This record gives sequence, C-alpha cells and structure tokens, in this order.
Amino acid sequence: AQSVTQLGSHVSVSEGALVLLRCNYSSSVPPYLFWYVQYPNQGLQLLLKYTTGATLVKGINGFEAEFKKSETSFHLTKPSAHMSDAAEYFCAVSSSGGYQKVTFGTGTKLQVIP
Amino acid sequence: DAGITQSPRYKITETGRQVTLMCHQTWSHSYMFWYRQDLGHGLRLIYYSAAADITDKGEVPDGYVVSRSKTENFPLTLESATRSQTSVYFCASSEGATHGSNEQFFGPGTRLTVL
Repeated sequence: AQSVTQLGSHVSVSEGALVLLRCNYSSSVPPYLFWYVQYPNQGLQLLLKYTTGATLVKGINGFEAEFKKSETSFHLTKPSAHMSDAAEYFCAVSSSGGYQKVTFGTGTKLQVIP
Repeated sequence: DAGITQSPRYKITETGRQVTLMCHQTWSHSYMFWYRQDLGHGLRLIYYSAAADITDKGEVPDGYVVSRSKTENFPLTLESATRSQTSVYFCASSEGATHGSNEQFFGPGTRLTVL
C-alpha cells in the first residue's frame, strides 16, 4: 500500500520569501515521487519528479525537491516566492516497476502575499 | 491539437439523466485514467484503463461506466446522475512505468453540476 500526506492544506508566504511545502509518503517498494501544480480552472501539470539517481530534483519555475528516504519525505521548496506561484500543489507517489497506481495527496493551496 | 482534451468543459444536468464525459489523447499512451476532484478529498481515481478494451475500477467507481474501444478515447458515463456526482472530473494519460515513471498528463477538466 502507498499513501501521501501533505502537511497544511493552506500555506501563506510573502512575495520573495522561501516556499516550503511538506510531503511525506509511505511505500513498500522504492517509490516514484511527483509534485504537480494546479492553477485555477486548469488541470494538473508536472512540476518535477524523482525516479532514481540524484535525490535533489530540480523542476520548472525554480522549484526543487529533495528525496529523503530515511525521513520518507519529498518536500518542495523555492527560494523566493513570486505572485505567479499562487496555486494548489499536489504531491504524489507511485511504486516503481510496471504499472502501479499513482496516489495523490489532498493538496496544499499556496497564497503569495504582496 | 496534440495533447489531451476533454469535452464538454462545463455541464449542467439533472438528477437521473445519463451524462457522458469525453476524453481524447493524441500521444498513443497505453494508460488512461478518470479522477474526480472534490474539496477536502484531493483527486480520487474512478476508473483506469491499461489498453484498449482493458479497464479496471479505481477508488470510487460506483455510478460510473467506462469503455475504451480505441486507444485514444476513454469516455466516462454517469448512467443516472446524482447530486453527489457534482464535481470536477479530470482525465489523464500515461505511458506507464515500463516506459517512464508513471508520470500522468492531465486534461483541463470538466466541471459537472447535477441539479
């Protein structure tokens, strides 16, 4: 079984401040991990993904995430928030090898305060 | 246009009516999915398909029917709509882990209101 927990359904940051969105997962096998972003009235789009190899993953729009196996975490960060980062962010986990379903977290809505 | 499209984008219907939501992808991805998105629940999988003519239930399949006669199309039918099926529905597609990483590509969504 696999699951994802996103801490905080709403996060507010000031423009220019650090963005930190937390994600913890559980998986019985080595996981694939994803962060998706959803802008209002749109579908989800991939920000970044971890499959194998380097544990620090860089994505689009200046976001990055670090896979920490010992902490079962995959937190999303961005050094300096921009107004355009306001959106909902979803962490997701999938088991490696063949098809395994992707399990999504319940989402974190990011507000950026000018 | 390349990508994944959904139609209609908005739909209002009445309780008891049959409704079909369409999904079309141009990548020839093997896997296709239907999710519903509701406040406080995130994304919940309704049905998925591993290939044409192969479908399987997800987390919340009751009240829904799917078919997949062609690789590129994956329609979702609400046989007798209920108010609890008011939601935003997303279709997605994926190559699957054997070709990549299970990354899913999402359509723009259909906002369905059942009165």
